[in-house]
Amino acid sequence: DTGVSQDPRHKITKRGQNVTFRCDPISEHNRLYWYRQTLGQGPEFLTYFQNEAQLEKSRLLSDRFSAERPKGSFSTLEIQRTEQGDSAMYLCASSSPRPDTQYFGPGTRLTVL
Amino acid sequence: GENVEQHPSTLSVQEGDSAVIKCTYSDSASNYFPWYKQELGKRPQLIIDIRSNVGEKKDQRIAVTLNKTAKHFSLHITETQPEDSAVYFCAATPTDSWGKFQFGAGTQVVVTP
Repeated sequence: DTGVSQDPRHKITKRGQNVTFRCDPISEHNRLYWYRQTLGQGPEFLTYFQNEAQLEKSRLLSDRFSAERPKGSFSTLEIQRTEQGDSAMYLCASSSPRPDTQYFGPGTRLTVL
Repeated sequence: GENVEQHPSTLSVQEGDSAVIKCTYSDSASNYFPWYKQELGKRPQLIIDIRSNVGEKKDQRIAVTLNKTAKHFSLHITETQPEDSAVYFCAATPTDSWGKFQFGAGTQVVVTP
């Protein structure tokens, strides 16, 4: 499968725990995006990378959230001290050097108890 | 920043009829408008997109129209089939913030046989 992949697909955690998600983009894509989607809503932009550089972060991304893309390939999104309000689907997308069409991964569904 | 409104939130159509979903955007700098289809539990899939230098684009039963003056764009699905049932999202992105898609809230389309 040469599409965007995410791991894990589901994560259940207790409030206050840290969680980390991984995204592997389509191999030739140099842009990688993170979104959050809650039930009945469209995806909300969180942050994006061009190669290893994090170019923009949403105000939604509090200090508890951090994202990295150390070698310009896969990316990780970490949430520290999780809260119940963090429960959502976390989607990753990637796009080619002509940065328009974004291809989404299957998402990681986070449930914070 | 960009704000995208999408209507209706739900749309029920008889198989064979047409479906129309409308979106408005606020940022006149936006010039790329993709539409995504998301089936239950699956990733958003791009179905069609349009750029601001084009007024209409068609792909088989799907078409998108763009009115830059009024800042709205629409998705048209003709001869609907049960497999068209899904949530559809519109999005907009300006050239000076490529990749920062602002999504609409989505339209749940139900096609009844």
